[in-house]
Formats: sequence, structure tokens, C-alpha cells
Amino acid sequence: NAGVTQTPKFQVLKTGQSMTLQCAQDMNHNSMYWYRQDPGMGLRLIYYSASEGTTDKGEVPNGYNVSRLNKREFSLRLESAAPSQTSVYFCASSVRGGSGDTQYFGPGTRLTVL
Amino acid sequence: ILNVEQSPQSLHVQEGDSTNFTCSFPSSNFYALHWYRWETAKSPEALFVMTLNGDEKKKGRISATLNTKEGYSYLYIKGSQPEDSATYLCAFNSGGSNYKLTFGKGTLLTVNP
Repeated sequence: NAGVTQTPKFQVLKTGQSMTLQCAQDMNHNSMYWYRQDPGMGLRLIYYSASEGTTDKGEVPNGYNVSRLNKREFSLRLESAAPSQTSVYFCASSVRGGSGDTQYFGPGTRLTVL
Repeated sequence: ILNVEQSPQSLHVQEGDSTNFTCSFPSSNFYALHWYRWETAKSPEALFVMTLNGDEKKKGRISATLNTKEGYSYLYIKGSQPEDSATYLCAFNSGGSNYKLTFGKGTLLTVNP
């Protein structure tokens, strides 16, 4: 099992450009999550998908959109990138969601917006 | 906004030392408390999920305790090794249909050989 995979690993964008971060899991998990990690901050939830076909906003959703393409894949889109979106982005998944459920993280995407 | 605090922010110990650090969280609406271990250039890995007051969990030399009434959890590492060097994150969840974990900023542990 590859677990949770993310592409790309690194990306540099100019302000105003758009891009999609891809995430896939092969563990048959129902729930998937997108986080961002910034220096001096904890992991902050951007969006999550409790199950296929549903998505909900997390703590910091502004400037992002998501798509739960199928049970395996959950993508994060930046429509018009801003320097404030420079961050490391982590995707995670869990079996069924819910508070006692362990989340498994991907390797991260390091995004720089100039 | 839920407040999850971890202390200390960073810690340097010598190989063989035992150490511990703290996670504080809201004592109301508690459902679960997670501990993760995060090595540099890798992704966070789950250590423990704790749900009951008084819970104590152990994995090798690492153990954790939980006090939901006063809103804290301790993580202990016995006989620290250089490979224990990592950031240790705790995350709080208030349960129900709430899928969201609120993470602390972590404690960065460095174990010197």
C-alpha cells in the first residue's frame, strides 16, 4: 500500500496563477482532509470530506476549493494564488471520520507563491 | 476557536534522559485527544488516540496519560534516543459530528547523542 500520496512535492507559482494539488489514498478510507502548515502555527484544517460526495469548510477555507472526485481522490484548488498561500500542504485520510479516528498523512506539498 | 496549547515549545535532552511534555485543551465537550510524531521532512504519524479520563497508553518507550476533567495530557519518553528527535503534536476533538481536529503547535524534541 502506498498510503496517502500527494502531487506535486514542490511548486512555485506567481501571484494570480491557479493550480490543483492532488491527493489519493489506497486504504479505502471514507474521510479525507486538507491542512496547511505555517511556521509557528499548528496544522490548520482547510477543507474536509467526511465521505464521498460531501465536502465542508475547515478553519481556513478562503481562497481554496476542493473536489472529492471519488472515494480515493480529494483535490485542492487555488484559483488565484496569493503570497499568503505560501505554505506546506498536507492531505490526510481516516477510515470513517469522527473524533476518535486516526488520520494518516501524505508527504506534503511545499508551495511558494511569488 | 478552540485553544490547544503545548509546552514547552522546544526541548533539548541528552541521550538516555527521560522527558515529558504537556498538551492543554478545553475540558468541556471533550471527545478525543490525539498524539502525533512528526520527523523533519516527513509527515505526521499517529502515536495514540485517547478518549477516556485516566487513559494511559504506551508504545515502546513512549507513553501518554489523559486528564479530561482538568484538560491536559502528558507525553513521556523514557531513555530518550537520538531517533526520538521530532516534533510531537497533540490534537483535540470535541466529538459528535465534528470531524475536525484542532492541533497544538507542537513540542520540538532534540536528543543529543
